[in-house]
Amino acid sequence: KNQVEQSPQSLIILEGKNCTLQCNYTVSPFSNLRWYKQDTGRGPVSLTIMTFSENTKSNGRYTATLDADTKQSSLHITASQLSDSASYICVVSDRGSTLGRLYFGRGTQLTVWP
Amino acid sequence: EADIYQTPRYLVIGTGKKITLECSQTMGHDKMYWYQQDPGMELHLIHYSYGVNSTEKGDLSSESTVSRIRTEHFPLTLESARPSHTSQYLCASSAGGVSYEQYFGPGTRLTVT
Repeated sequence: KNQVEQSPQSLIILEGKNCTLQCNYTVSPFSNLRWYKQDTGRGPVSLTIMTFSENTKSNGRYTATLDADTKQSSLHITASQLSDSASYICVVSDRGSTLGRLYFGRGTQLTVWP
Repeated sequence: EADIYQTPRYLVIGTGKKITLECSQTMGHDKMYWYQQDPGMELHLIHYSYGVNSTEKGDLSSESTVSRIRTEHFPLTLESARPSHTSQYLCASSAGGVSYEQYFGPGTRLTVT
């Protein structure tokens, strides 16, 4: 069964600190992996997208890594800000059909305290 | 900010009422999607469309229906709302398949009393 598991479920950190969120997946055949940020009551916004051949990608203070062999990804946030408080969702897509299929994790709820 | 819009943003309605959730995008994307999301849970695909006059059911069974008469418009309709339909509904669009970015609307929070 194709699945995407994220950890931790929730995380509280102080402003200015770094943190790392984890994503393990069993989706096959793999097409790409994305990290989304979802603010409360809003739709998800893409942070990064990585294909099989990419093992790291940055977007400002966000750096995502991908190990396609172990089927693991991480999202590292540096120098956290209050506005980083949100749910971070790992999404993996397969390439088994024309449209493909997205598999969503349940997200890590990050809270940044001043 | 993606050019994809959803109305209403919030809706509280009584059981048995017919409702239509609107979704529009101005990016000219062929592919559009409806997702359902409960608090703390993953998004579930309930409907998608490859283009005009194309609609398909997603992975999660839903009593809602959709239509795609125009490229930019992908409304979702519930003929008779029930409390079990209470959820957040997210619309998305993309220029192609899974290699392409999916852009999400802000969502509609539906509460059926």
